[in-house]
Amino acid sequence: DTGVSQDPRHKITKRGQNVTFRCDPISEHNRLYWYRQTLGQGPEFLTYFQNEAQLEKSRLLSDRFSAERPKGSFSTLEIQRTEQGDSAMYLCASSLSAGNTGELFFGEGSRLTVL
Amino acid sequence: RKEVEQDPGPFNVPEGATVAFNCTYSNSASQSFFWYRQDCRKEPKLLMSVYSSGNEDGRFTAQLNRASQYISLLIRDSKLSDSATYLCVVGGGGTSYGKLTFGQGTILTVHP
Repeated sequence: DTGVSQDPRHKITKRGQNVTFRCDPISEHNRLYWYRQTLGQGPEFLTYFQNEAQLEKSRLLSDRFSAERPKGSFSTLEIQRTEQGDSAMYLCASSLSAGNTGELFFGEGSRLTVL
Repeated sequence: RKEVEQDPGPFNVPEGATVAFNCTYSNSASQSFFWYRQDCRKEPKLLMSVYSSGNEDGRFTAQLNRASQYISLLIRDSKLSDSATYLCVVGGGGTSYGKLTFGQGTILTVHP
């Protein structure tokens, strides 16, 4: 399978705990995106990387959220001191930057439930 | 004001109907425009890009009006399999070149 993979697919945690999600993009893709989606809404932009550089981070993202892509390959998204409002589907996507065709290839997402 | 706004619907249409979705965006510097489709409990997938001259892909026609900051998608001869959420997506300009912003989506249900 050469698509975008995310792990874990489901995570249930208690309020106040830290959680980390991992994304493995399509191997030749240099851009990697994180989005958050709640029921009835479109994906909300969180951040994106070009290679290992984090080029933009949403102003809506609190300091509890941090993302890394240390070697320009896989990425992690960590949420510290989770709150119930963090419950959502966290989607990772990757793309090629050349040509900027806009085709993002999404993973199946990591669903977070904060109790 | 949201960066990308869509009528959430839902739209319920019979097979064979023509349906149109509208979208507006706030950033006049936006450079790229797309429609994505998302099936229930699935990830979004690119449906088509939108060009200034308008473009067509089979039963789907997309239009862009930069002056009005308005994007549309027309689906002709609707099929049951067209039932999904349609997401309007805008690519940023300037320093936000790589950022893609999604609208909230428009739900379409095609019934027999």
